[in-house]
Amino acid sequence: IAGITQAPTSQILAAGRRMTLRCTQDMRHNAMYWYRQDLGLGLRLIHYSNTAGTTGKGEVPDGYSVSRANTDDFPLTLASAVPSQTSVYFCASSRTSGAGELFFGEGSRLTVL
Amino acid sequence: GDSVTQMEGPVTLSEEAFLTINCTYTATGYPSLFWYVQYPGEGLQLLLKATKADDKGSNKGFEATYRKETTSFHLEKGSVQVSDSAVYFCALSGRHRDDKIIFGKGTRLHILP
Repeated sequence: IAGITQAPTSQILAAGRRMTLRCTQDMRHNAMYWYRQDLGLGLRLIHYSNTAGTTGKGEVPDGYSVSRANTDDFPLTLASAVPSQTSVYFCASSRTSGAGELFFGEGSRLTVL
Repeated sequence: GDSVTQMEGPVTLSEEAFLTINCTYTATGYPSLFWYVQYPGEGLQLLLKATKADDKGSNKGFEATYRKETTSFHLEKGSVQVSDSAVYFCALSGRHRDDKIIFGKGTRLHILP
């Protein structure tokens, strides 16, 4: 069982380019999340989805968009990347929304030049 | 709003030393409390949790007790190993269906052989 798969593992892109980070889970979890991890700031929630077909904004949603067309996939799109979006991005899922164990992917390291 | 404060790192200890990583929280109601661990190059994974006052979570030799009177959930281990070197995150979640997990900023732990 793979759990959560993120792609790409690492990417360098020029400012202004569009980028989609992919996230797929095989656990049939209802809720999915995108976090960014920055030194000294810990983990900050970007967007979340409590169930397929719904999404919500987290703590730092500006410059990012998500979609949840089905249970398994939860892509994160940067429409026009900026250097401040250089970060490590983690996708996570949980069986239900609310209190409960989060399962994380291994992260996608993104560098915007 | 709800928040988590944990001791800043890095924390450097010798193998077999006693470990304490402090964590305090601010929350309305009675949150669930968690410790997550992130090993180098990996995503976070749940280490232990406690869902009500005086509960003790334990796993892999680590323990933490939910102290409502001091709003704390300190992580302890009696004898650390080199393999415990990682970043440790304290987190809380409210009990409402749509409450999201809030993470502390993380504490990096280095164990010297």
